[in-house]
Amino acid sequence: EAQVTQNPRYLITVTGKKLTVTCSQNMNHEYMSWYRQDPGLGLRQIYYSMNVEVTDKGDVPEGYKVSRKEKRNFPLILESPSPNQTSLYFCASRDLAGVDTQYFGPGTRLTVL
Amino acid sequence: SQQGEEDPQALSIQEGENATMNCSYKTSINNLQWYRQNSGRGLVHLILIRSNEREKHSGRLRVTLDTSKKSSSLLITASRAADTASYFCATDGTGRRALTFGSGTRLQVQP
Repeated sequence: EAQVTQNPRYLITVTGKKLTVTCSQNMNHEYMSWYRQDPGLGLRQIYYSMNVEVTDKGDVPEGYKVSRKEKRNFPLILESPSPNQTSLYFCASRDLAGVDTQYFGPGTRLTVL
Repeated sequence: SQQGEEDPQALSIQEGENATMNCSYKTSINNLQWYRQNSGRGLVHLILIRSNEREKHSGRLRVTLDTSKKSSSLLITASRAADTASYFCATDGTGRRALTFGSGTRLQVQP
C-alpha cells in the first residue's frame, strides 16, 4: 500500500530537548516536504526536498532542520524546541514527473512545554 | 504566506443538502487542489483542477475554476454525515512545487 508514515504520532516534550520526527514514503517519490498546521493558519511549509541531498527552506523554517540522505526518508529535527513549535506536523511526498497530488502522512501532534 | 482563502470558514447543513465552498487565491497557478481533513487527521486529496480547465467532476464532487477571478468552488452534492470534515484548497504554483494552503472550511453535516 502506498503510504507516508510518520513517527511518533504524539509527542510531549520540554523546551530545549532535541527531538526528531521521522517520515518515510514507499512510493519512490523525489519530492518530500514538511508542513505545520496551526488553528486559523492552514498548513505552512517548513522545508522541502527535491531529491537526495537537496533540501531548501519553505515559508517557516526557523527552528527546524531536515536531512535527506535516502530517497525514502525525510526526518524533521528540532534542535532546541520552544513552546511556539507546539503544532500538528505533516510530512508529504509527491512524484515530480507525474500527477501533482501530494500524499500526506497521518500527522504528528507535538507539544513543547 | 497564505494563497488560498476559503469561504465560508464554517458551514452547517442538513444531510441531503448540497454544500458549496469557495476559494480565492492571489497569484498564477499550475493547478488547484482540494483536500479533506477529518479532525486532527491527515489530509486526503479529493480533486485536482488544472489552470486550463474550468470544471471537473468526481463522484459527488464538482469543482470549478475561474482563473480570471482567481477563484474556485467545491460543491458536494447530496451531503452525508460522513462528509463532516475540514476542506482545504491548495494552489500549486511554480518554483519549489509547494502547495500553498488556505485556512479551510469546516463543514458540519447534521444527520
